[in-house]
Amino acid sequence: DAKTTQPNSMESNEEEPVHLPCNHSTISGTDYIHWYRQLPSQGPEYVIHGLTSNVNNRMASLAIAEDRKSSTLILHRATLRDAAVYYCILRDERSNSGYALNFGKGTSLLVTP
Amino acid sequence: DSGVTQTPKHLITATGQRVTLRCSPRSGDLSVYWYQQSLDQGLQFLIQYYNGEERAKGNILERFSAQQFPDLHSELNLSSLELGDSALYFCASSVDGRGSYGYTFGSGTRLTVV
Repeated sequence: DAKTTQPNSMESNEEEPVHLPCNHSTISGTDYIHWYRQLPSQGPEYVIHGLTSNVNNRMASLAIAEDRKSSTLILHRATLRDAAVYYCILRDERSNSGYALNFGKGTSLLVTP
Repeated sequence: DSGVTQTPKHLITATGQRVTLRCSPRSGDLSVYWYQQSLDQGLQFLIQYYNGEERAKGNILERFSAQQFPDLHSELNLSSLELGDSALYFCASSVDGRGSYGYTFGSGTRLTVV
């Protein structure tokens, strides 16, 4: 799977929007963009995923650049419970080398009251 | 509760020993994945099973082995344990073998080797 680049850490104030960037300049046409987060002392949790169009769900929005070389996870109103490590992962849905998620180091999000 | 059950939650054992970690996937999920998370390595994929058969291998040591049983639960066996094997071990499951609908993770087993 192609590689992603994320900032090591970001900070946000509670109840403000948060934009978490992810660069994936070597993305291929069949790579889906997945976001997972890991709260302290818990297993990773699915957030959202998409291919080309922007996606929304109850947790977040995913904005994908037109050239797909970058994407942004948007938390509309950060709460203290959103403090976690956020992972941006590319998955080739047609890969023949296995279908496990390959986690990088992610972005550690700090939310302050 | 994610629906993926891992037992035990904590395990302390001595070097050289053998332990077994257990995972019950979410109801209806056929595939199981094992991950290791240590402080310096992050989340590392170990192995995947789909409906009882090994599907993919990651950075799994030869001292480690796993299997998925007919009832779809999985066990990860760690032998000849070393201090460096201390880590959180996560199990994840997915409906199909491709993770097309996402992956659900358990809360992990914390292994401490002393």
